[in-house]
Amino acid sequence: AQSVSQHNHHVILSEAASLELGCNYSYGGTVNLFWYVQYPGQHLQLLLKYFSGDPLVKGIKGFEAEFIKSKFSFNLRKPSVQWSDTAEYFCAVNTYNQGGKLIFGQGTELSVKP
Amino acid sequence: GAVVSQHPSWVICKSGTSVKIECRSLDFQATTMFWYRQFPKQSLMLMATSNEGSKATYEQGVEKDKFLINHASLTLSTLTVTSAHPEDSSFYICSASVLAGGAEQFFGPGTRLTVL
Repeated sequence: AQSVSQHNHHVILSEAASLELGCNYSYGGTVNLFWYVQYPGQHLQLLLKYFSGDPLVKGIKGFEAEFIKSKFSFNLRKPSVQWSDTAEYFCAVNTYNQGGKLIFGQGTELSVKP
Repeated sequence: GAVVSQHPSWVICKSGTSVKIECRSLDFQATTMFWYRQFPKQSLMLMATSNEGSKATYEQGVEKDKFLINHASLTLSTLTVTSAHPEDSSFYICSASVLAGGAEQFFGPGTRLTVL
């Protein structure tokens, strides 16, 4: 069965520190990859997505992610975090043969100290 | 664009009653809608996938007689929690997709259900 694994459950950083959140998936076929963010008390918002093409994807709010097919990874990065980035981050995968349904990782809680 | 709404945003009900949650795509027609459940501090768990005009496809372990899903139009799907019990208390989130298979999903704000 497909699965998505996020290595970090809770990350605590100071403002201006660099961020990298790990995401690995298990599926041998063609995948679409997503990172979603859930700010406290708010609904999920799409940060960025990868369908095909350039494996380095840029999203909103200065986030980017790199798809490394050989490693089945789609890590999220941001060079300098802000206090407002405090949120829960979810990596998700879907495949064409699954009717578009998303498989979510466990989520990573990011706390940024001012 | 691509806004999804849910109603109500929160609901409290007595054990044994049924609760209906609506999910609407406001500015697009959704071929497929998905229903998720999220426990505190946990990830989203897909409950079912529904396509307009057809029966929902439930994930393994989800009781289809307890969680009734109706997708009557391209802009509306409903989830009815029948004979709710305290263990059904959770955050229910819907999402909508324009195309079947491989497309981006747009998420609703969620509905907090508390069963007393």
